[in-house]
Amino acid sequence: GQNIDQPTEMTATEGAIVQINCTYQTSGFNGLFWYQQHAGEAPTFLSYNVLDGLEEKGRFSSFLSRSKGYSYLLLKELQMKDSASYLCAVRPGGNTPLVFGKGTRLSVIA
Amino acid sequence: DAGVTQSPTHLIKTRGQQVTLRCSPKSGHDTVSWYQQALGQGPQFIFQYYEEEERQRGNFPDRFSGHQFPNYSSELNVNALLLGDSALYLCASSYRVGYTFGSGTRLTVV
Repeated sequence: GQNIDQPTEMTATEGAIVQINCTYQTSGFNGLFWYQQHAGEAPTFLSYNVLDGLEEKGRFSSFLSRSKGYSYLLLKELQMKDSASYLCAVRPGGNTPLVFGKGTRLSVIA
Repeated sequence: DAGVTQSPTHLIKTRGQQVTLRCSPKSGHDTVSWYQQALGQGPQFIFQYYEEEERQRGNFPDRFSGHQFPNYSSELNVNALLLGDSALYLCASSYRVGYTFGSGTRLTVV
């Protein structure tokens, strides 16, 4: 089976840094994706990791450890507009569909 | 460059009715996947179409069926609607690595 776990909710302060963790157990591994989703809207792509290590893109970074089945999304200099759900998704094989976690709802407070 | 287009954006149906949702993929994408997202949950994979054939299917009953046309656009059909089918239905198109999601169709079954 496929299982992806991430915290249900997190709260952080504007201007701070927050780390959202994701652990996965899947039948295979061919990449891990992070998406941002505002309420009632489509998921938008944030990052993609297929090799171990850190990928940085502006205020967002994502880390992957394949041996541990673990990833995290790091958001720096939090802004109110970062309040959203963050979805971790794994692609188990070559052209297989993404398997999503339930998402982490992040609330950024002043 | 147009992204993924879904129609309609919102829909209200009565239990027992049938519904058809439509998706036009991003230019250059040849694979279309459909996801169901219940409130507060991550997207759940329904099925994937490539070269006009259903290639993979998630754990959804036969009431859910689909089609892909020669121009890569796709339809999702749901028969004998249940209250539990109320959700956001997302279409994602892909070509190799990248996945792009449409804005979704919000289906409410009453």
